[in-house]
Amino acid sequence: SAVISQKPSRDICQRGTSLTIQCQVDSQVTMMFWYRQQPGQSLTLIATANQGSEATYESGFVIDKFPISRPNLTFSTLTVSNMSPEDSSIYLCSVRLAAGEKLFFGSGTQLSVL
Amino acid sequence: QQPVQSPQAVILREGEDAVINCSSSKALYSVHWYRQKHGEAPVFLMILLKGGEQKGHEKISASFNEKKQQSSLYLTASQLSYSGTYFCGTEGSSASKIIFGSGTRLSIRP
Repeated sequence: SAVISQKPSRDICQRGTSLTIQCQVDSQVTMMFWYRQQPGQSLTLIATANQGSEATYESGFVIDKFPISRPNLTFSTLTVSNMSPEDSSIYLCSVRLAAGEKLFFGSGTQLSVL
Repeated sequence: QQPVQSPQAVILREGEDAVINCSSSKALYSVHWYRQKHGEAPVFLMILLKGGEQKGHEKISASFNEKKQQSSLYLTASQLSYSGTYFCGTEGSSASKIIFGSGTRLSIRP
């Protein structure tokens, strides 16, 4: 199994600023992902965080807006840059131990942009 | 590509049954089912790998038709604790990422 510590758990930010979300896993994992969940909506995959290389972004998400770091197999950060009220969402870090296995989720970061 | 999930919402009385469907236009390696309660992270229910496998625990089971790229989640004799939003997640044959459906909101009334 994997235990994920995600922080901050929530934040209220001003338009135009940036927020960095941290995700720490208690074991080494090869697959780490960042999802966004807008109010009342499904989980949308932002990107796959790759250790030692650039993240792989899904359609509609770009590195300039959502830069991701993955310095090692237990840690990743997601930055939400130049925020607008449309970025108000829950951001979830998740990991898989192997293909074909379940996702483990962090507790999420609830972001409100004013 | 996002899998199609239906119905969008279901309201049941305690003890009734429900079926939630999930279909994909792409070949699938696996299908996942998660339940999410308000304000909480999704909780894993089960995973089905290609091969037409059916799995279950207690009163929640699921099937996976690999040829049709469809999966169904069966909730029998529903309990109040079953309330929440159910998401299917699909993994394509050559990828390790999981793409989630739009969700099914299940409400159970006493």
